[in-house]
Amino acid sequence: NAGVTQTPKFQVLKTGQSMTLQCAQDMNHNSMYWYRQDPGMGLRLIYYSASEGTTDKGEVPNGYNVSRLNKREFSLRLESAAPSQTSVYFCASSEARLGGWWETQYFGPGTRLLVL
Amino acid sequence: KNEVEQSPQNLTAQEGEFITINCSYSVGISALHWLQQHPGGGIVSLFMLSSGKKKHGRLIATINIQEKHSSLHITASHPRDSAVYICAAVLPLFSGNTPLVFGKGTRLSVIA
Repeated sequence: NAGVTQTPKFQVLKTGQSMTLQCAQDMNHNSMYWYRQDPGMGLRLIYYSASEGTTDKGEVPNGYNVSRLNKREFSLRLESAAPSQTSVYFCASSEARLGGWWETQYFGPGTRLLVL
Repeated sequence: KNEVEQSPQNLTAQEGEFITINCSYSVGISALHWLQQHPGGGIVSLFMLSSGKKKHGRLIATINIQEKHSSLHITASHPRDSAVYICAAVLPLFSGNTPLVFGKGTRLSVIA
């Protein structure tokens, strides 16, 4: 089992460019999440998907869109990147159906994004 | 704004010491997670607690929901325990807030 995988590992963008961060899990989990981690801020929830076909906003959704493509995959899109979106992005998944807030979340290795 | 507070921010210990990391929250929560972030950046879930105490190896986590406080203890600390420890509070559903709020982490260094 690969667990939770994320691509790319590292990306440099110019302001205004778009990109999609990919996340996939092979644990047959129902819920998936996107977080960002900034120095001095801790982890913050961007979007989550409690089950296939549903997505909801977290604490910092502005400037992002998500797609739960199928049960395995949950992508995060930046339509017009801004320097404020420079961060490390983590994807996670959990087994629970109604949002895995009370269960173990399994994290991907992270994507380091630099927006110039 | 809801906030999860962790203390201390940084902690240096000698190998073998007993370590305590604290987490408190200002409003009611339904559960709390403890996570470990390795120096390489990877994040691992350690515990999820809604009451009482949980133990895994040398790690012990306790929570008092009414007092809005949780602690993570490490017994017989070892240099491999060096990491950032993060707590995350689960807010009540339908509260209108984001469901999960993280502390800023406690950076632990254990010296041999």
